[in-house]
Amino acid sequence: QVQLVESGGGVVQPGGSLRLSCAASGLIFRNFGIHWVRQAPGRGLEWVAYISPSGGEKFYADSAKGRFTISRDNSKNTLYLQMNSLAADDTAVYHCARDRARSYFDFWGQGTLVTVSS
Amino acid sequence: QSALTQPPSVSGSPGQSVTISCTGTSSDISTYGRVSWYQQPPDAAPKLIIYDVTNRPSGVPDRFSGSESGNTASLTISGLQPEDEADYFCSSYTSGDAWMFGGGTKVTVL
Repeated sequence: QVQLVESGGGVVQPGGSLRLSCAASGLIFRNFGIHWVRQAPGRGLEWVAYISPSGGEKFYADSAKGRFTISRDNSKNTLYLQMNSLAADDTAVYHCARDRARSYFDFWGQGTLVTVSS
Repeated sequence: QSALTQPPSVSGSPGQSVTISCTGTSSDISTYGRVSWYQQPPDAAPKLIIYDVTNRPSGVPDRFSGSESGNTASLTISGLQPEDEADYFCSSYTSGDAWMFGGGTKVTVL
């Protein structure tokens, strides 16, 4: 079955950086676009970024543009999110989710918690 | 990129029907027809329950149904069950190659 497992979360100071990873199994990773979606504590879901199957197309939410970079290594079945210039409102659980038809997210990981605090 | 609008909460007794609305704009729901719905129990990852407005993935009970009218999409749960108590989020693809979510609706089974 499809499994997406995020890692790399933790506590970081404002202005700091963090790189998240999402390890995929049970699917032909190179065939699917993947998203990052975050959820602040007690809040709703917020789409962050998308990367196409080949990595040739990348799209970002306004809140992520210029600070976050999505990438993937299809040889390792792994997705990444490099986050720079972190601020308190970036505190959230970050999920990776498989894309279908650039329409919906059909499998989600459990998420990794990022806390931005001094 | 503004969020889609959902009611914060709805409630119903077992066996009743509840409907959750999700209002967007002409740049998303009504233009692309790429609306999906997710169920999220406490401390769990979201689960897809409706995609492309009306379609149910395999394994999702048929008491969950989706519809759309103009800029508003809706999720109806018919024959409410105790296990349906969760947060529900709508999502839509939007112009400019982006996706949006609603703020979420908490469904309470009385």
